[in-house]
Amino acid sequence: DSGVTQTPKHLITATGQRVTLRCSPRSGDLSVYWYQQSLDQGLQFLIHYYNGEERAKGNILERFSAQQFPDLHSELNLSSLELGDSALYFCASSVATGTDKIYNEQFFGPGTRLTVL
Amino acid sequence: AQRVTQPEKLLSVFKGAPVELKCNYSYSGSPELFWYVQYSRQRLQLLLRHISRESIKGFTADLNKGETSFHLKKPFAQEEDSAMYYCALRRSPGTYKYIFGTGTRLKVLA
Repeated sequence: DSGVTQTPKHLITATGQRVTLRCSPRSGDLSVYWYQQSLDQGLQFLIHYYNGEERAKGNILERFSAQQFPDLHSELNLSSLELGDSALYFCASSVATGTDKIYNEQFFGPGTRLTVL
Repeated sequence: AQRVTQPEKLLSVFKGAPVELKCNYSYSGSPELFWYVQYSRQRLQLLLRHISRESIKGFTADLNKGETSFHLKKPFAQEEDSAMYYCALRRSPGTYKYIFGTGTRLKVLA
């Protein structure tokens, strides 16, 4: 599959724990974006990385952090988990740099469903 | 505050009937508007963007700046149109802080 991949598909954990979600972008894409979709909410933009550098930040909690590695995969780390962190976490990738003016389509992964008990 | 509102959680129509999925936005500038679609067991994907002004799978959407709306329309619904539809806004070129609506589930009944 040459599309965006995310692991794991499902994650069940307890409050207070820490988890890591992983995303591999499409081949050739240097930008990775993370979104959170809570129940009955639209996708909330969390963060954008381009070629290892943070390019834009959205409504990302301080308990959450992300990084993009030299091989361009990205990880979203969620710590001190709360019940309200239960959500679908989507990753997307594109060829965009974050400063270009033209539109570059985002391609989404299948998501990771996180359940915090 | 920037916001995208999709007032209907669920819209059911019969096959062959016209479809209109509503989207209203709140933004003082000149945003770019998009419609994304997620079919059952598939990934979220771009359906269309207002700038391209094209018809995709028979769907069109016109940006109405006066009413701050970007409704998605199709004259004759097909069963394969059943999916979740999300309206999204991008504040300006060069930013990727998309704002998504909560989505509308379209069910096309036979």
